[in-house]
Amino acid sequence: GAVVSQHPSWVICKSGTSVKIECRSLDFQATTMFWYRQFPKQSLMLMATSNEGSKATYEQGVEKDKFLINHASLTLSTLTVTSAHPEDSSFYICSARGVEIRRSPLHFGNGTRLTVT
Amino acid sequence: TQLLEQSPQFLSIQEGENLTVYCNSSSVFSSLQWYRQEPGEGPVLLVTVVTGGEVKKLKRLTFQFGDARKDSSLHITAAQPGDTGLYLCAGNSGGSNYKLTFGKGTLLTVNP
Repeated sequence: GAVVSQHPSWVICKSGTSVKIECRSLDFQATTMFWYRQFPKQSLMLMATSNEGSKATYEQGVEKDKFLINHASLTLSTLTVTSAHPEDSSFYICSARGVEIRRSPLHFGNGTRLTVT
Repeated sequence: TQLLEQSPQFLSIQEGENLTVYCNSSSVFSSLQWYRQEPGEGPVLLVTVVTGGEVKKLKRLTFQFGDARKDSSLHITAAQPGDTGLYLCAGNSGGSNYKLTFGKGTLLTVNP
């Protein structure tokens, strides 16, 4: 089945630094990727929708300049948390959908645990 | 904004008991999916329901999509400790991106 790889699986960084998270579709071309944030024991909150070759669409309340999303190729989207602060600590998950599986469910990465100290 | 109300939010039961999780909305969804997530991992798809009134079974799990495609339920028979996890329903409203709207999740704990 379709596989989405997310890297790193966990990262610890100091306050004020930036962190980049990668989301790759391994065996299909992902024209659309989604980035979510999840707090402990809570559901996924959609942050943004990323389409290959165009600017990401951010959900209301999500800072575009804080969470930079780049979807430069059909197999890779990146989320950069800029000038991270402790309140940015969370579990970040990506998912991907491709043209050839357009009406199929999303395929999720295994998430990235970000801890900002 | 389409909302999915999922209940209960927390559920702790003994092994062997049955349970039902509900997912309700005032909006119509073109399809609805159920996921199970374990700590530190991404959600794993359990089932997709598309047709109003549809019932799907996956071993001890039974999924139902409401006739009007606004609600869904997940019933687990004879729950086992291995069923413990966060269960999420997600509605697909269609559109060019097929964006999913997630319910708040049900954290299920099955005690041995």
